[in-house]
Amino acid sequence: RKEVEQDPGPFNVPEGATVAFNCTYSNSASQSFFWYRQDCRKEPKLLMSVYSSGNEDGRFTAQLNRASQYISLLIRDSKLSDSATYLCVVNRITGGGNKLTFGTGTQLKVEL
Amino acid sequence: NAGVTQTPKFQVLKTGQSMTLQCAQDMNHEYMSWYRQDPGMGLRLIHYSVGAGITDQGEVPNGYNVSRSTTEDFPLRLLSAAPSQTSVYFCASSPKGGRTGTKNIQYFGAGTRLSVL
Repeated sequence: RKEVEQDPGPFNVPEGATVAFNCTYSNSASQSFFWYRQDCRKEPKLLMSVYSSGNEDGRFTAQLNRASQYISLLIRDSKLSDSATYLCVVNRITGGGNKLTFGTGTQLKVEL
Repeated sequence: NAGVTQTPKFQVLKTGQSMTLQCAQDMNHEYMSWYRQDPGMGLRLIHYSVGAGITDQGEVPNGYNVSRSTTEDFPLRLLSAAPSQTSVYFCASSPKGGRTGTKNIQYFGAGTRLSVL
C-alpha cells in the first residue's frame, strides 16, 4: 500500500461547481499535512497547510481526519484557473529527520 | 526574488555520459532536496541536505551524488546516465524551524527535464 494515496482523476467540472478531493495516508505517525498545486509542466507550489481544526483560504477549505487518516480539499465556485494537479503531501518525523511523502496527484479540469 | 533557480531547464544525454544539475537558492534556507517526478509515481526524494557540509540519501539515491559546500548551492551529479534516469528533476529548499504547519514547506525550482537516450 502506498504511504499517500490519491484518486488520480481527472475530475472534469463546470465553472462554478464545488469539487472535493480526498487523500489517505497509511502512517499514523504523520504529523503535518499540505496541499500543493502543480500546473502542467511547472513546479509544485504550496496551496495550503492543513491544520487539525480545518482551515479555509478563500474558496479553498482543507480538513484533516486523524482517526480515519485522510485529508480533504474542497474548492468552491471553481474557476477555469483552478485547472491543475493537486498534490497531497504528508510529513512525519523519522530517525533521519523529517520525511515528506508526496501523493501522485489529482487532476482537476474546470470547463466552461 | 529569484527563490530556487535550476539549470539547465532541458538536457539530453547519451547513456553513460555524466552531468551536473545545478540548484541555487537565495532565501538562506538550511534544508535543500532533490526530487524526481515520473508519471504515476509522484515526487520521489533522491538526496537531501540539512545544512552546508551535510547530505543524506533519500528514497532513490542510486546513480546520483550530491554535495553541499555552501548554504546556497546543492548540485546533483549523474555519474553515468541511464535511460531509467529520464525524468523531471526538481530541487527544493525549506527553512529550518518555524511554526507547526509552516515549517517543512518546500519551495521548488522550475525543474530540469532530462532525457537519456
